[in-house]
Amino acid sequence: QSALTQPASVSGSPGQSITISCTGTSTDVGAYNYVSWYQQHPGKAPKLMIYDVRNRPSGASDRFSGFKSGNTASLTISGLQAEDEADYYCSSYTSSSPLYVFGTGTKVTVL
Amino acid sequence: EVQLVESGGDLVQPGRSLRLSCTGSGFTFGDYAMSWVRQAPGKGLEWVGFIRSKLYGGTTEYAASVKGRFTISRDDSKRVAYLQMSSLKTEDTAVYYCTGMIANKFDDWGQGTLVTVSS
Repeated sequence: QSALTQPASVSGSPGQSITISCTGTSTDVGAYNYVSWYQQHPGKAPKLMIYDVRNRPSGASDRFSGFKSGNTASLTISGLQAEDEADYYCSSYTSSSPLYVFGTGTKVTVL
Repeated sequence: EVQLVESGGDLVQPGRSLRLSCTGSGFTFGDYAMSWVRQAPGKGLEWVGFIRSKLYGGTTEYAASVKGRFTISRDDSKRVAYLQMSSLKTEDTAVYYCTGMIANKFDDWGQGTLVTVSS
């Protein structure tokens, strides 16, 4: 089971919207609505931002939204802010080993 | 406030063993599955394995890369999850995070503990 595919980097100016894609297969992203997204600042632990494709946990900003179509999930950050500069990882439950697979990670830069 | 605190990370020689601990507070520890996720230096996240809550049998699942070498256990009375690592390889060098899980998402994360496998 390979890692989910994400773009290595995405950038945007403050106030803009950006979208990060997460491409899997019919045995992970395409098969289950168990896609989640994590934000990781340098030297810090990851933080859950989106779960079950589109749900936000309490405390997560409503500027973050999730979507899925077929084998590809996406995370959109609206109204980009300097504090959004971080690495982002998607994750999905899978029907085979390993049970959970992470994406390759995307570095978001705020210009 | 939910807190997860890992401990036990160290420098260890290839082939040796090491046990990591994860102590939880601020939530009903026994209701959560506990998972371990690692991150090699400068690399992405890799799921290592997890242990279900007692309600779901307390059974374990592992990534192929560690199956047969790593064992996850829990002591709900102490609010601790363990990762017993044996036959360590240089490629096991990483920061190891423990996470609490409810329903297929990694809800809360510890700060991580560094394991370095080197001669």
